[in-house]
Amino acid sequence: EVQLLESGGGLVQPGGSLRISCAASGFTFSNFAMNWVRQAPGKGLEWVSAISGSGISTYYADSVKGRFTISRDLSRNTLYLQMNSLKAEDTAVYYCARAPILYYFDSWGQGTLVAVSP
Amino acid sequence: QSALTQPASVSGSPGQSITISCTGTSSDVGGYKYVSWYQQHPGKAPKLLIYDVTNRPSGISNRFSGSKSGNTASLTISGLQAEDEADYYCSSYRSSSTHVVFGGGTKLTVL
Repeated sequence: EVQLLESGGGLVQPGGSLRISCAASGFTFSNFAMNWVRQAPGKGLEWVSAISGSGISTYYADSVKGRFTISRDLSRNTLYLQMNSLKAEDTAVYYCARAPILYYFDSWGQGTLVAVSP
Repeated sequence: QSALTQPASVSGSPGQSITISCTGTSSDVGGYKYVSWYQQHPGKAPKLLIYDVTNRPSGISNRFSGSKSGNTASLTISGLQAEDEADYYCSSYRSSSTHVVFGGGTKLTVL
């Protein structure tokens, strides 16, 4: 059974940094691209970032480019999102999602809440 | 403002069929066969319903079907059931630095 378990969310001040993680199990991690998708409170889904199966290729939404870094540790079957220079508008539940092909998501984690506030 | 346009809400009675539209541009919905649809119940993670415009993943009911015409994709739910009440999101590949775009979501109410 595919399982994706996010962790590391919390309250951070504007301008601060946070790293969230997603532990994957139940499938061959390196065979799949992985993504982060976020959802602000009461709002819709927003794609944030993607990384290829090997980790060589990365992609970012314009709203986070230059501030967020996606990475993956194939030995630990774990996906990361390093978030720097956080803004209030980054407040959201962050989901990790598996992508058989880079642009659609067949398995999702339960999400981790990141709140950016003074 | 979302990249793809969906109606904010739709409703239907049990047993009826409803269709949710998703309008984009030739740079996303109209240009590629890479539209997907997701269902999200309150407080839950999204769930993939349709990928590549018309394909259903294993385990998804055939009451859910997808189609596309020009720059508009559609999700049809037939034989509405109470458990179909949820938010529905479309998504598409986009040929720009914004790799994937979502619609704003449609709230389905089963009357």
